[in-house]
Amino acid sequence: DADVTQTPRNRITKTGKRIMLECSQTKGHDRMYWYRQDPGLGLRLIYYSFDVKDINKGEISDGYSVSRQAQAKFSLSLESAIPNQTALYFCATSDLPRSRGTDTQYFGPGTRLTVL
Amino acid sequence: AQTVTQSQPEMSVQEAETVTLSCTYDTSENNYYLFWYKQPPSRQMILVIRQEAYKQQNATENRFSVNFQKAAKSFSLKISDSQLGDTAMYFCAFNNNAGNMLTFGGGTRLMVKP
Repeated sequence: DADVTQTPRNRITKTGKRIMLECSQTKGHDRMYWYRQDPGLGLRLIYYSFDVKDINKGEISDGYSVSRQAQAKFSLSLESAIPNQTALYFCATSDLPRSRGTDTQYFGPGTRLTVL
Repeated sequence: AQTVTQSQPEMSVQEAETVTLSCTYDTSENNYYLFWYKQPPSRQMILVIRQEAYKQQNATENRFSVNFQKAAKSFSLKISDSQLGDTAMYFCAFNNNAGNMLTFGGGTRLMVKP
């Protein structure tokens, strides 16, 4: 079974619709992230959460909101979708650093979102 | 802000040969972490290898190794004995000591030819 799952895997919607992308993890990690990938580009951070009560904006948070329902669940919402939000969306998780250093991030399979 | 640059948009290599993918980065920090991720056509992001900047020894993972040059801010990935399954996009990524954000390069598309 996958450690990080995302639903849906693919979604087509219309401009102005509200969309929610969901992420669940069984890795027991505290930290969760949402990234966006545009064609030909690397990933960019939208939001991140270090625990249920700690949510932070990333590089490109405008037009998005998130909810950390539990340690294992982190949802991304587009309140009113627009065509330039068409992209591949990734959820990632990481654990607290066990020793000196940072944590490795592990990614879900991605959600391809198309906004018409 | 950190930036990560991958100057090779596309590369190809013959099966069983060796290929090196380049990555440079810019940061004012002394402690940080570098990663290579692989994204095959399935679009899954898969961790290939990771390097801690405070370690002088280059990281290796089976057929994958890095050449980390801290002074030059260079972090290249070498794939030995290339296999068809290595065909993918490869992304170089930087993480600072706070661990709150990965900064990605634009990627290199690698094709392994039979």
